[in-house]
Amino acid sequence: KNEVEQSPQNLTAQEGEFITINCSYSVGISALHWLQQHPGGGIVSLFMLSSGKKKHGRLIATINIQEKHSSLHITASHPRDSAVYICAVHNTDKLIFGTGTRLQVFP
Amino acid sequence: KAGVTQTPRYLIKTRGQQVTLSCSPISGHRSVSWYQQTPGQGLQFLFEYFSETQRNKGNFPGRFSGRQFSNSRSEMNVSTLELGDSALYLCASSLYQANTEAFFGQGTRLTVV
Repeated sequence: KNEVEQSPQNLTAQEGEFITINCSYSVGISALHWLQQHPGGGIVSLFMLSSGKKKHGRLIATINIQEKHSSLHITASHPRDSAVYICAVHNTDKLIFGTGTRLQVFP
Repeated sequence: KAGVTQTPRYLIKTRGQQVTLSCSPISGHRSVSWYQQTPGQGLQFLFEYFSETQRNKGNFPGRFSGRQFSNSRSEMNVSTLELGDSALYLCASSLYQANTEAFFGQGTRLTVV
């Protein structure tokens, strides 16, 4: 069993839909990242959080430390949101990554 | 403020050769981490350097090595390349240690033929 599990693996949505991507982890962490990777490989850090909730534009990230679970929400999704979203946790000075969620948003 | 710069962006090498990849972190960042991304294994941690010292190492063979210079620039080296080393190699820089916000480079795509 992977230490960081994401669901779903693939997600297709129509423009405007509300999207949720989930991340569960089984190790102790000091922080959790949500990352976005577009075709071509570059990774952008969307959020780093260790408790509660953060919001940036149409993106919202939440974490429940007791339940070892985090969610990434995208409101009013847009085709430019199409990318792979990766959850990663800080564990003893290294990042452990989930396998990613491939999101495609169609007009 | 310039971002994390990785060079080269693309590289083709032959089995048995060695390769050196470079990562220049954001100015003022002292921690540099390296990751390998393959379709089969996803993103995996290689090693992390802080102030020229390797502080953590992932589960990779000794053919994978790295170093960090006094200006925080880092290099990773892979010797005796194997076909399975074909991957996207990403580095990330952080202000202090790895447990702070990480900024990623565009990666170096290595193809071993």
